[in-house]
Amino acid sequence: GAGVSQSPRYKVAKRGQDVALRCDPISGHVSLFWYQQALGQGPEFLTYFQNEAQLDKSGLPSDRFFAERPEGSVSTLKIQRTQQEDSAVYLCASSLAYIPTGGNTGELFFGEGSRLTVL
Amino acid sequence: AQKVTQAQTEISVVEKEDVTLDCVYETRDTTYYLFWYKQPPSGELVFLIRRNSFDEQNEISGRYSWNFQKSTSSFNFTITASQVVDSAVYFCALRGRGPSNSGGSNYKLTFGKGTLLTVNP
Repeated sequence: GAGVSQSPRYKVAKRGQDVALRCDPISGHVSLFWYQQALGQGPEFLTYFQNEAQLDKSGLPSDRFFAERPEGSVSTLKIQRTQQEDSAVYLCASSLAYIPTGGNTGELFFGEGSRLTVL
Repeated sequence: AQKVTQAQTEISVVEKEDVTLDCVYETRDTTYYLFWYKQPPSGELVFLIRRNSFDEQNEISGRYSWNFQKSTSSFNFTITASQVVDSAVYFCALRGRGPSNSGGSNYKLTFGKGTLLTVNP
C-alpha cells in the first residue's frame, strides 16, 4: 500500500489478555516509531527502530510492553497482561530517513492507529 | 525537558471565519524543529508544516499560515476563511537536535495535547 498500515484498527481485550498490534510501514522506510495516544491527549513516544535495531525503548510504560521489527520492515507491538490503563490508540509512524545521523529531517508518515480498549 | 503547550482545548467557529491555534514550547536545545499535524476523525496524523528554529520567517500555504516567534517561544497556526473540512484535532509538536542529555532527542516528537477545531456550516 501507499501508506502506513496498522492492524487491527480496533481491539477489545479483557483485562489480563495479551494483545499484538501490527504495523506495516511504507516500503523502504528505515525508521519506525510507535506512539501511544490516550483519549484527549497528544501522542507520546514509546519506541524507535532503525531497520531491525530497536535504538530507543525508553517510552515503553512497563515491562509488559514489547516491540519488535525482526526483518526491518513489519513491526509488532505486544502488550502482555493488559490493564485498563493500556486503553489508548497506538500509532505507528515510519520515515525514509535515518533521523539521528543529522542533516536529514525526514518526515514521519503516520498510520491510522490501532484503538485498544481494555475492559 | 521538552514541553509543548496548546492552551486551547476546543475552538468552534462558523465557516469562513479566520481562526488561530496557539502553541507555546519549551526546550533547552539551541536547534530544534517545530511541527503542526492535523488529525481528522479517521485517526492518522497528517503532516502540515515543519519549521527550523533558525528560520523565523513566517510561512503561508494557501489558507494556512504560521507565525513563529522565537522570542516568545510560540508557533501559532492560522486558518483563513475556515471550511467545514478543516474540522479536526490539530497538534503542535517539537523535535530537538541536541544530544540526548539535553533533555530532548533528534528523533522523538513531543506533542501538545491538541486543539479540537470544529467549523460549523
